[in-house]
Amino acid sequence: DTAVSQTPKYLVTQMGNDKSIKCEQNLGHDTMYWYKQDSKKFLKIMFSYNNKELIINETVPNRFSPKSPDKAHLNLHINSLELGDSAVYFCASSQGRDRRGYTFGSGTRLTVV
Amino acid sequence: GENVEQHPSTLSVQEGDSAVIKCTYSDSASNYFPWYKQELGKGPQLIIDIRSNVGEKKDQRIAVTLNKTAKHFSLHITETQPEDSAVYFCAARAVSGGGADGLTFGKGTHLIIQP
Repeated sequence: DTAVSQTPKYLVTQMGNDKSIKCEQNLGHDTMYWYKQDSKKFLKIMFSYNNKELIINETVPNRFSPKSPDKAHLNLHINSLELGDSAVYFCASSQGRDRRGYTFGSGTRLTVV
Repeated sequence: GENVEQHPSTLSVQEGDSAVIKCTYSDSASNYFPWYKQELGKGPQLIIDIRSNVGEKKDQRIAVTLNKTAKHFSLHITETQPEDSAVYFCAARAVSGGGADGLTFGKGTHLIIQP
């Protein structure tokens, strides 16, 4: 009965590869997000999707692309992985006009070697 | 855009004492201020939040205060326990008229409870 689930939990891959991280929420929320947490624990938003529409696209490389097949899923695709992409990526969701009650997934630790 | 500053980066207190973490924000349009606790290997979990029409909110040992004029808000944990050890994040967000917007987080405070 996990609210926001991400897979995989750990991902180790070589530079130049393409990888995807999946996220699903069963809370009925209408907005989903991807955050990146660097080695210093700094959390920064990357994307948000509301009703299948990309609302925020922070200054992330276009190698990163969110894909939402439906409002319960927001997957993150990363092309041509670089060493600097190593981080923990968190999916989150929220509901309502005031977007309260953000719920985070447990994170995906991506290591690029 | 919003900028959130959080202090201190590390806080060590004796078990049973109180801990206070402070944050300031820059965007006067921000009106929602949540606090998250992140334990090792886990995602951030919401522990308490406050909206701009309220000056203080309390939930058992945790309280948050907000000073809109000064644009700062604080987390207070009383009677600290070993399980309070974690990284705590403050965040701020302005409620817009429509669409979605994300939270802007502070850089986190590593709270260590000394037995």
